[in-house]
Amino acid sequence: GAVVSQHPSRVICKSGTSVKIECRSLDFQATTMFWYRQFPKKSLMLMATSNEGSKATYEQGVEKDKFLINHASLTLSTLTVTSAHPEDSSFYICSARGVSGRARADEQFFGPGTRLTVL
Amino acid sequence: AQKVTQAQTEISVVEKEDVTLDCVYETRDTTYYLFWYKQPPSGELVFLIRRNSFDEQNEISGRYSWNFQKSTSSFNFTITASQVVDSAVYFCALSARYNQGGKLIFGQGTELSVKP
Repeated sequence: GAVVSQHPSRVICKSGTSVKIECRSLDFQATTMFWYRQFPKKSLMLMATSNEGSKATYEQGVEKDKFLINHASLTLSTLTVTSAHPEDSSFYICSARGVSGRARADEQFFGPGTRLTVL
Repeated sequence: AQKVTQAQTEISVVEKEDVTLDCVYETRDTTYYLFWYKQPPSGELVFLIRRNSFDEQNEISGRYSWNFQKSTSSFNFTITASQVVDSAVYFCALSARYNQGGKLIFGQGTELSVKP
């Protein structure tokens, strides 16, 4: 099956620092990647939709300057949490959709998630 | 607007019991997709099923079965003879125009605890 990886799986950082999370599609190309945030005991909330080579589309209420998303290639999207604060502590999950007309087209595959703790 | 409601926040059953997880959705689109995912304590989402709005046939996969009823906008999930390994949070999700990049809208999740 299609594999999506995230790195790191777990990160602890000090307040005020920036953290970068990588999302990679390992065996297929993904034109679109999605970034979700999940608080403990809560549902997944879509933060933004990332399309390769263009600017990400953020959901209402998500600060684009706070959560920088870059989708530079068909296999990699990154989420950078800038000047992180304790309230940014959460579980971040990415998903990737295959390129239409190719393998894994229109299927969405999820990464294993990254647990961010900001002290 | 699209919305998914999972009214059961937590369910606790004893092993071998059958359990049904409810899912009710709202959408104005005539073409949409419904999903169920399992999230074990490790956090990784496990895909269980995808169903499009034109296919109301019920599906069975081993101990899992799904009942899709457009008339009541429901897509319920039943686990037969539950096992401890079924303990997890289960999410129902909806996507309109999925094949055109439609995003997933998740329900609140139901935490299932299966006790030995």
